[in-house]
Amino acid sequence: NAGVMQNPRHLVRRRGQEARLRCSPMKGHSHVYWYRQLPEEGLKFMVYLQKENIIDESGMPKERFSAEFPKEGPSILRIQQVVRGDSAAYFCASSPRSPNSGANVLTFGAGSRLTVL
Amino acid sequence: AQTVTQSQPEMSVQEAETVTLSCTYDTSESDYYLFWYKQPPSRQMILVIRQEAYKQQNATENRFSVNFQKAAKSFSLKISDSQLGDAAMYFCAYRANFGNEKLTFGTGTRLTIIP
Repeated sequence: NAGVMQNPRHLVRRRGQEARLRCSPMKGHSHVYWYRQLPEEGLKFMVYLQKENIIDESGMPKERFSAEFPKEGPSILRIQQVVRGDSAAYFCASSPRSPNSGANVLTFGAGSRLTVL
Repeated sequence: AQTVTQSQPEMSVQEAETVTLSCTYDTSESDYYLFWYKQPPSRQMILVIRQEAYKQQNATENRFSVNFQKAAKSFSLKISDSQLGDAAMYFCAYRANFGNEKLTFGTGTRLTIIP
C-alpha cells in the first residue's frame, strides 16, 4: 500500500502562471481532503471531494482556486494566476468511508510545496 | 465555529525526560474527536494519538498519552522518555462526529529534544 501520493513534491511558479497539484488517495479510499499550510502555521481546510463531486469547499478561496476528483485518475488542485501569497505547502488526505463513520482517520500525503517567485 | 489553540509555540525537553504539550479548543458540540499529529522535518503528517470525546478514559499509545478534560475543553499531550526522534512540530486537531471528516488544526508547538 503506497499511501497517499502527492506530486510534485516541490513546484516553482512565476506570478501569473498556473499550478496543478495532484493527489492519488490510498487504495480503496474514495474521499479526498485538501489542506493548505502557510509558513509557521497549522493546516487549514480547503476542500472535501468524493469521486466526481465537491462536497464541501468552504475553505477554498472564491477565485483562482479549483479542485476536482474525476472518476478515473488523481484529485487535482488547480491554482490559476498564482501570486506570492499562494506560496505554501498543500496537503492531501484521504479516507475510506463515508462521513459519520465515527472512527475514520485521515491519512495524509507528504505534501506539495509551492513557491511563487 | 470550532477553534483550536496551542499556546506554546516552542518547547524543549531533555532526552529521556517527560514533556507536556497544551491544547485547548472551543466547540458547542458534545460528540467529537481530538487528535495529535506530529510533523517532522520531512513534513509528513503522522497521527500520534486520538481521543473520542464520549470516552472518559484518556488515550494512550506507548510513550504518548493525553489528559482529556472535557469540561475544561483541554487536551494535552504527554510524551514520556523523550527520544531524539520525537523532535517535530506537534499539531492538535479537532473533528466533529457528524458531517465530514474535516479537521480544525491548532498552530502547532515545535518540540526540541536536547541530547
